[in-house]
Amino acid sequence: DAGVIQSPRHEVTEMGQEVTLRCKPISGHNSLFWYRQTMMRGLELLIYFNNNVPIDDSGMPEDRFSAKMPNASFSTLKIQPSEPRDSAVYFCASGRTLGGNEQFFGPGTRLTVL
Amino acid sequence: GENVEQHPSTLSVQEGDSAVIKCTYSDSASNYFPWYKQELGKRPQLIIDIRSNVGEKKDQRIAVTLNKTAKHFSLHITETQPEDSAVYFCAGGGGNKLTFGTGTQLKVEL
Repeated sequence: DAGVIQSPRHEVTEMGQEVTLRCKPISGHNSLFWYRQTMMRGLELLIYFNNNVPIDDSGMPEDRFSAKMPNASFSTLKIQPSEPRDSAVYFCASGRTLGGNEQFFGPGTRLTVL
Repeated sequence: GENVEQHPSTLSVQEGDSAVIKCTYSDSASNYFPWYKQELGKRPQLIIDIRSNVGEKKDQRIAVTLNKTAKHFSLHITETQPEDSAVYFCAGGGGNKLTFGTGTQLKVEL
């Protein structure tokens, strides 16, 4: 099992640029979660999907943030335009709705917006 | 929504001593309480979890207790070792959604 895969692992961009983060969940998992981690705000849930459908996006900070899950094996989190305060580590996690609530985290993408 | 509070924010213990981290939650509908360990620069990793129909669960040197009435749960690590040094997060939720505590930086000193 390859675990949750995220790309890129590091991203440095300039303010105003579009940023796209990618996630491949564990095969067979039908729930996918996007989190943001900062020193100030800790680990925050941005959005989660069940069976590719967005269920709760109340954590998405602004309209600049959007997420999609076109199929069971791929999701993207997009920030357009990016701002310095978006700098954080973004984690994707996946799990199974049937069989428990366990969530398995990917390695994260460290985003720096200059 | 759910609100999870975690204490202490930092904890320093001597190697071999026990460490206890406590969390409280607000939503009585929450029924799943995992604990994650995050080493510096790494991903959070699930170390143990408990469901609301269980009061205590053990796995070698770690244990978790849950008091549904008081809405609090705790992580206990016995015989601490230097490799236990990390940030520990509690979380609570029902269905799929988890709300995380603010984390406890545990340092095990030689």
